[in-house]
Amino acid sequence: DVKVTQSSRYLVKRTGEKVFLECVQDMDHENMFWYRQDPGLGLRLIYFSYDVKMKEKGDIPEGYSVSREKKERFSLILESASTNQTSMYLCASSLKGFIGELFFGEGSRLTVL
Amino acid sequence: GQNIDQPTEMTATEGAIVQINCTYQTSGFNGLFWYQQHAGEAPTFLSYNVLDGLEEKGRFSSFLSRSKGYSYLLLKELQMKDSASYLCAVPLLVAAGNKLTFGGGTRVLVKP
Repeated sequence: DVKVTQSSRYLVKRTGEKVFLECVQDMDHENMFWYRQDPGLGLRLIYFSYDVKMKEKGDIPEGYSVSREKKERFSLILESASTNQTSMYLCASSLKGFIGELFFGEGSRLTVL
Repeated sequence: GQNIDQPTEMTATEGAIVQINCTYQTSGFNGLFWYQQHAGEAPTFLSYNVLDGLEEKGRFSSFLSRSKGYSYLLLKELQMKDSASYLCAVPLLVAAGNKLTFGGGTRVLVKP
């Protein structure tokens, strides 16, 4: 059974803290994505990666960075969390070069106080 | 760029039919996806259309008109468990992969 696992379902952090969100997939997918989901705004792409050590900016990369050191793992980093980064964060993966379906993790709900 | 529009919310009765419309504008068309997302859960794949016409999959059907930049998802014989958000998405092929741009989602509420 295919699986995308996000390290934390719920996090509460303070403004200015550094935040790491981890995502691991076991499907040997080349592509990995980080989205955030907010009411009324839908899913918005933050960053994506189509290979180890590769990364591409999505539609809203400001305030975020990513790391892809291993094929199965894609990390989202908030260097200095702000209240407007309170959101649901969803990781997803897909096969390279194939317009196929995305497999999503369960999501990480981050609250920044 | 890409722009995707779908209604925010729809209400229907159990056993009825609901049609969720999606209009899109994209610089290069590579098909259209529909996803279902129950509250508090991850989105899951429903359908993918790349050619014009209707594709049926059980109680769910998806239609595409490329010339009109239009798609709809048809849910028949509605069940309470169909209460969820339905997301329309268009892929953009970049480099060696693809990225999906999503519409805001349509929340469907099924009433008894």
